[in-house]
Amino acid sequence: KAGVTQTPRYLIKTRGQQVTLSCSPISGHRSVSWYQQTPGQGLQFLFEYFSETQRNKGNFPGRFSGRQFSNSRSEMNVSTLELGDSALYLCASSHGTTGSYEQYFGPGTRLTVT
Amino acid sequence: DQQVKQNSPSLSVQEGRISILNCDYTNSMFDYFLWYKKYPAEGPTFLISISSIKDKNEDGRFTVFLNKSAKHLSLHIVPSQPGDSAVYFCAAISYGGSQGNLIFGKGTKLSVKP
Repeated sequence: KAGVTQTPRYLIKTRGQQVTLSCSPISGHRSVSWYQQTPGQGLQFLFEYFSETQRNKGNFPGRFSGRQFSNSRSEMNVSTLELGDSALYLCASSHGTTGSYEQYFGPGTRLTVT
Repeated sequence: DQQVKQNSPSLSVQEGRISILNCDYTNSMFDYFLWYKKYPAEGPTFLISISSIKDKNEDGRFTVFLNKSAKHLSLHIVPSQPGDSAVYFCAAISYGGSQGNLIFGKGTKLSVKP
């Protein structure tokens, strides 16, 4: 079974621009969660989508948004990029149902904002 | 306030010996815990998990112990191998919360020396 895939793997953007990251979950998984990893803050939860609906949201500004499609693929968008948005963005998929809490991560998208 | 803490940023162990990675938590609502391993430039890989109704779970060389009264869990790796060198993250979730909201510790970097 194929794992979680994320595209692109690397991205360089300028302050003020916007960016869209993509995530394809493991086949059969309906939940996709997004995390931001930085050296200082570690892994921080951004949001989770389940069956095309945002089910939970972390403590990030509204510049960070996402969506999920009917095939469970998900996109994350960051508008008006700031230098502090430079990070590794990870997506994770899971069944998203009670009793199934293991999340499986993709390789991440390394975003650099200059 | 950090709800999941890994107080040792690094650990060095000789090949063949036991590695013990520790994790403390503050939120008594957590009732499922997971360990992930992360290599540089890759996403975290799920290792092993434990429910709060258990105090031990084994999978091959990996054993997780949970002490609910102390709000403490540990991951034992026996015997340690050089390929185990990576950053290990402890994560927690509560059944009452969203499936997607894993709370991570900041990680412990394990080095296994040949």
